[in-house]
Amino acid sequence: DTAVSQTPKYLVTQMGNDKSIKCEQNLGHDTMYWYKQDSKKFLKIMFSYNNKELIINETVPNRFSPKSPDKAHLNLHINSLELGDSAVYFCASSQHGRGWTGELFFGEGSRLTVL
Amino acid sequence: SQQGEEDPQALSIQEGENATMNCSYKTSINNLQWYRQNSGRGLVHLILIRSNEREKHSGRLRVTLDTSKKSSSLLITASRAADTASYFCATRVTGQNFVFGPGTRLSVLP
Repeated sequence: DTAVSQTPKYLVTQMGNDKSIKCEQNLGHDTMYWYKQDSKKFLKIMFSYNNKELIINETVPNRFSPKSPDKAHLNLHINSLELGDSAVYFCASSQHGRGWTGELFFGEGSRLTVL
Repeated sequence: SQQGEEDPQALSIQEGENATMNCSYKTSINNLQWYRQNSGRGLVHLILIRSNEREKHSGRLRVTLDTSKKSSSLLITASRAADTASYFCATRVTGQNFVFGPGTRLSVLP
């Protein structure tokens, strides 16, 4: 009954490969996010989707492509992986609208290592 | 540059002592949140304080907000070894997403 689940938890791959990380939330939230946490623990937003619509797209290389098939899922596909893509990627969700508390619910993270 | 920035970067205390972490930010905000991250885990929401509030409590946590100084503090009283984690403040400006600071790494020694 995990609220926000993402897979895989660990991903080790070679430079130039393409990989995907999947995220699902069972909280009924309407907004989902991808954050990147670098080696210094700095957490930066990458994308935000509200009801399957892209609402935030920070300065992220277009090798990163999010896809939201429905409001409970937000996947992240990365093409042509580079060494600098190594990081922990976090999926999160929240519920906007009336009574929104602003709380973000995070998944456990997916640690990507590019060799 | 970052909106929120925690201070100190790292803090080491003995069990039973109080831990205080500070967060400074640059622009006016709607609200500010504190999150905890245990090693290798996701972030967990601790407490939210709105821009019109000055202080909030939740169990052993006390958060203050000074909008004139653009700063917030998180106090953990009677710390326990299980409080060892990184603590992040996140600020939200109207219409924008939350921006996280780099965090404070707290170590509580038994």
